[in-house]
Amino acid sequence: GAGVSQSPSNKVTEKGKDVELRCDPISGHTALYWYRQSLGQGLEFLIYFQGNSAPDKSGLPSDRFSAERTGGSVSTLTIQRTQQEDSAVYLCASGTGKTQYFGPGTRLLVL
Amino acid sequence: AQTVTQSQPEMSVQEAETVTLSCTYDTSESDYYLFWYKQPPSRQMILVIRQEAYKQQNATENRFSVNFQKAAKSFSLKISDSQLGDAAMYFCAYRSPHLNNNDMRFGAGTRLTVKP
Repeated sequence: GAGVSQSPSNKVTEKGKDVELRCDPISGHTALYWYRQSLGQGLEFLIYFQGNSAPDKSGLPSDRFSAERTGGSVSTLTIQRTQQEDSAVYLCASGTGKTQYFGPGTRLLVL
Repeated sequence: AQTVTQSQPEMSVQEAETVTLSCTYDTSESDYYLFWYKQPPSRQMILVIRQEAYKQQNATENRFSVNFQKAAKSFSLKISDSQLGDAAMYFCAYRSPHLNNNDMRFGAGTRLTVKP
C-alpha cells in the first residue's frame, strides 16, 4: 500500500519568506509526527498529533513554526519568516501505535 | 525523561562480515518499545527491527538481529553478512507505551560504512 508522502521534495526559499510543507500519512494512521533533521544530525521532535487530542507542540522551536492536521489526515507544517538556521530536512511520520513510518522528507534550504 | 545513547558515531565493516551497533537507553518504565531505523543517503527512514520490552526473545529480521538486555538497558543491533546496501545511518529509538503523548526518543545515530 501507499506509504507516507511529503511535498515538496525540495524547497528553496529566501530568508523572510513563509513556507508550507505537506504530509500525507498512511490511511488510517491516527498518529502523525513532524521532525527536523539538520545535516548529519539526529532527529529533533517538532510536533505530534494523536487522533482528536490536542497536539503536543512542545518541540516547536519558536512561534514562527506551526502545524495543523485537517480531518485527522493531511498535515501542513508552516514556517513563517524563514531564517537560514531553518535549513534542514523535515520528516513526517505516521503510525497507529507502536511504530512510526516515515515519509521521504522535504529538504528546505533558506538562502 | 528517557534518553537514548548511541556511543559509536561511525562504524565500518567489511562486506560479508558481521557488525554490531550499540544502543543504551534510560527509562523508569517497565514496558516500552525499542526500534532500529536505517537512513540511507536517500534520507528515507526505514524501520529495520522492533522489540517489545515484555518479550524476552530477541527480535530477528533476516540478517538483522538484536541483543536486548533489559536489566542493562541495552539494545544492540547485529548485522550479519553485511552488504553494500547496508551502508547508512542507523538510529536507535525508544517509545513509551503511552500513546497519548509523544514519547519517542532517538539516538544521535551511527554511520555505518561497508567496505567491498
